Order: sequence, then structure tokens, then C-alpha cells
Amino acid sequence: GNSVTQMEGPVTLSEEAFLTINCTYTATGYPSLFWYVQYPGEGLQLLLKATKADDKGSNKGFEATYRKETTSFHLEKGSVQVSDSAVYFCALSGTGGSYIPTFGRGTSLIVHP
Amino acid sequence: NAGVMQNPRHLVRRRGQEARLRCSPMKGHSHVYWYRQLPEEGLKFMVYLQKENIIDESGMPKERFSAEFPKEGPSILRIQQVVRGDSAAYFCASSPAGTSDNEQFFGPGTRLTVL
Repeated sequence: GNSVTQMEGPVTLSEEAFLTINCTYTATGYPSLFWYVQYPGEGLQLLLKATKADDKGSNKGFEATYRKETTSFHLEKGSVQVSDSAVYFCALSGTGGSYIPTFGRGTSLIVHP
Repeated sequence: NAGVMQNPRHLVRRRGQEARLRCSPMKGHSHVYWYRQLPEEGLKFMVYLQKENIIDESGMPKERFSAEFPKEGPSILRIQQVVRGDSAAYFCASSPAGTSDNEQFFGPGTRLTVL
């Protein structure tokens, strides 16, 4: 079956530091890949997505590139802010006729002023 | 366009009682997913429904849990005879169609506490 592996958190950074959160996956077929963000007390919301190999998703300064050769979709941001503190989930869409996505366990990011 | 609505936001039940969680999908969305989130355990898929049909319930415990999405009204996740281990955040998500590339739109969740 499909699976998503994210780096363990929490990731603790100072404001304006560079962020990388690693995500690798195994999947049959050709899934779309997503990053969702969850702020405290809220539901998940889509941050960015990529639908095919070599696509780059970007939003609010965050970027991730769909790397088929390394089965990865690492999330990056050049300069984090305190307001980026949240839990980040990597996910892949259902494949093989399934509509059920697969989520990683989430990585908590804490940004200090 | 209102987003996905869930209620109640917080629900407290004693062991053995029933919990009913409601989800109204975004307007125009006919597909609903329920997830459970436990601390440090990420998001676990429970059930996927379309109007009046359960499409996939492979993630839902076979006993005490049930879900429905009637023709009219919200989707309901029902937990009978709750136990302490049912304490978690339950999230509903909707999508406009069953194509797997669609992003999911999440509600704010219902936080269930079983005393």
C-alpha cells in the first residue's frame, strides 16, 4: 500500500532561518502530492500541491518539488516567521482507483522570535 | 461560500454514552471523509462517503462506530458506548468530486473527550 514518511519533529528554528521538512513516499501509480498545514485548534488546510513529476508547488514562500527519482516532496522556505509555527502534513492522493489519500504523521514546526 | 462546518467543536461524554458528530460539507461538494487524530499519531482515515452511500469504511472500527451521509442534511459520525480510547479530534473533509487529485477541504474538527 501507499505510505508517507516525514521527518520527526519538533523542528525548532529562529525567525528568518531556512526551513526544510523532509517527506518521502511509496506509492503505486502516479499520485499527486500535497502539503497541508494545521494551526493550533484548527483543521488542516492545503498549503501547496504538485500533480506530476518535476512540478513545483509554491505558496506563501513555501516550495516543494515532486521528485519521482527519489520519491520525495521536501518542503522548504527561505525565511521562516513566528506565524509559520504549526504542524505540517505531507500527503499523497489515492492511486489505482482509490480516492483515499495517505497522510504522513505530521511535523511540528516551532519558530522563535 | 462557507467552508466545511463541524459541530459541536467540543464534546464531552461519559463512558457508555453515545457521541454524534456532524459535518456539513462545502456547498457543491458531495464527497465526505472522516479522520481521527490522536496526539503524536497523525491523521487516520476512517470512512469515505458520498450522498447516501458508504464508499470505503476500511479505517473505521467494525463495532460501535457508524457513519452516514443522507440525501438531505449533514454527514453524521456516530460512536456508541464510548470508551476513554475514543478521546481524540475528529475531522471531516469534503471534496467536489471523487477524482483523487482533488485537494480536501477540512473542517475545524470536533474534540471528543470521554470521561
